[in-house]
Amino acid sequence: GNSVTQMEGPVTLSEEAFLTINCTYTATGYPSLFWYVQYPGEGLQLLLKATKADDKGSNKGFEATYRKETTSFHLEKGSVQVSDSAVYFCALSVETSYDKVIFGPGTSLSVIP
Amino acid sequence: GAVVSQHPSWVICKSGTSVKIECRSLDFQATTMFWYRQFPKQSLMLMATSNEGSKATYEQGVEKDKFLINHASLTLSTLTVTSAHPEDSSFYICIVERESEQYFGPGTRLTVT
Repeated sequence: GNSVTQMEGPVTLSEEAFLTINCTYTATGYPSLFWYVQYPGEGLQLLLKATKADDKGSNKGFEATYRKETTSFHLEKGSVQVSDSAVYFCALSVETSYDKVIFGPGTSLSVIP
Repeated sequence: GAVVSQHPSWVICKSGTSVKIECRSLDFQATTMFWYRQFPKQSLMLMATSNEGSKATYEQGVEKDKFLINHASLTLSTLTVTSAHPEDSSFYICIVERESEQYFGPGTRLTVT
């Protein structure tokens, strides 16, 4: 079946540190991959996505590259800010599965000044 | 502006009663809507896929007789939590796919006392 695995949190970083949140997936077919962010007390928002192998999604300084050979979609940011504190969810959808989105467990990030 | 709405945004009900949650696609037709729930500090878990004009497809472990889904029109799907219990307290979210983009409803927070 389709599934998403993320590194366990919580992750605590100092401001301006480099961020990596690992994500790997298992899918039948050719998935689209997503990163969603949930700020405290809010709903999920799409952060970035990639729809085919070697695509790089980017937004707000975050990047992730769709690696088919390693079935990974790791999230990176070169310099985190306090305002990046949130929970990050890696997710996938597969067209042959009616595009339903499968979410990873989420990784909580806290950035301290 | 928002493309998916949910109503109500929050509801408190007594144990044993039923609660109906609506998900509407605004300005577009959706043959498929997805219902998720998110428990505190957890990820979104797919409950069921709502298909216009046919029966919903439930994920393993989700009781179809407890969580009634009706997708009566191309813009409206309803989720009814029947005989609600405190363990049903959660954040219920619908997601609608449109032109390969996923649009999140704002969610409904259900509290069962």
